[in-house]
Amino acid sequence: NAGVTQTPKFQVLKTGQSMTLQCAQDMNHNSMYWYRQDPGMGLRLIYYSASEGTTDKGEVPNGYNVSRLNKREFSLRLESAAPSQTSVYFCASSAQNYGYTFGSGTRLTVV
Amino acid sequence: KQEVTQIPAALSVPEGENLVLNCSFTDSAIYNLQWFRQDPGKGLTSLLLIQSSQREQTSGRLNASLDKSSGRSTLYIAASQPGDSATYLCAVTRNTGRRALTFGSGTRLQVQP
Repeated sequence: NAGVTQTPKFQVLKTGQSMTLQCAQDMNHNSMYWYRQDPGMGLRLIYYSASEGTTDKGEVPNGYNVSRLNKREFSLRLESAAPSQTSVYFCASSAQNYGYTFGSGTRLTVV
Repeated sequence: KQEVTQIPAALSVPEGENLVLNCSFTDSAIYNLQWFRQDPGKGLTSLLLIQSSQREQTSGRLNASLDKSSGRSTLYIAASQPGDSATYLCAVTRNTGRRALTFGSGTRLQVQP
């Protein structure tokens, strides 16, 4: 099925560890996004990529880096995980006039 | 800065009722508005997308309206069912620059059998 695929679905990290969240879409969308969802805070934009080769900061970029590897893939990296980064992470893609499609999310716990 | 508000935050209704969820946004310069559904522990499922030039969209028992000038959208659910129980999220995109979504905090709906 066409859509947005995120890996892993669950992850537990120790404080200071690093990891990369992977995201891939097969809808030929130009734009891709990373959001985090926290209770009481809603969904907040971390980073986005308007097209292949471009990335820009969103509302809460501190502690994260991203790579738009090609048109299909957009990864999110935590270089030194902190408990404040415990959250559910969603990747999304969009194309003009077609709205957004979200992945199923990654539940990350930092202990 | 765009702010999106959803009222009510939670709603419990008996099965079969028609209901309305409200969404308001502070900046009317939007590109489009999208309604999503989120089940507990799951991702977001797109329900309806309304372009800024449109007034409403319909899909099955769902109807979403948009009044851009007043900064409001409503999601109407007809003949509610227990399977409609979920959190409903409203989100808008700007019509200039970055087209990222700004979300409301959602309405948690419980439909009682």
